[in-house]
Amino acid sequence: NAGVTQTPKFRVLKTGQSMTLLCAQDMNHEYMYWYRQDPGMGLRLIHYSVGEGTTAKGEVPDGYNVSRLKKQNFLLGLESAAPSQTSVYFCASSYRDRSYEQYFGPGTRLTVT
Amino acid sequence: GDSVTQMEGPVTLSEEAFLTINCTYTATGYPSLFWYVQYPGEGLQLLLKATKADDKGSNKGFEATYRKETTSFHLEKGSVQVSDSAVYFCALSSNTGGFKTIFGAGTRLFVKA
Repeated sequence: NAGVTQTPKFRVLKTGQSMTLLCAQDMNHEYMYWYRQDPGMGLRLIHYSVGEGTTAKGEVPDGYNVSRLKKQNFLLGLESAAPSQTSVYFCASSYRDRSYEQYFGPGTRLTVT
Repeated sequence: GDSVTQMEGPVTLSEEAFLTINCTYTATGYPSLFWYVQYPGEGLQLLLKATKADDKGSNKGFEATYRKETTSFHLEKGSVQVSDSAVYFCALSSNTGGFKTIFGAGTRLFVKA
């Protein structure tokens, strides 16, 4: 099993550009999450999904959109990137009845100039 | 709202030294508590957990006891190794807040040979 994979690993964007981060999991987890990690601030939840076709806002959703068209995939989109979105982005997934035990991907380091 | 506070790092220790990383929490209800570890270049991994007061979680020589009276969940290890160098995150999951997990800011540990 590959676990949770994320693409790309690194990306540099100019302000105003758009991009999509892809997360895939092969553990048949119901729940999926997108976090951002910034120095001194731990992980903050951007959006999450409790099942195929459903998404919800987390703590810091502004400037991001998500989609979960297939159970195994969770996409994070930036429509118009801003320097404040420079961060490391982590995707995670979990079983519904063990939502506290999250499995994380390796992260995507995004720089917006 | 729910929150987690952990000691600032970095913490630098020599090999075989005793480790304590402090963590305190604020939560309504009866949260479950966790420690996650992030090795360089990787995503977070669940290290240990405790789901009720006085429970002790343990894994790989690390231990933490859920202390409701002091709202704490300090991480300890009797003899650290160079391979323990990582960032450690304290986290909680509270039923009153749904299933979402709240992470602390993380504490970086360096272990010198």
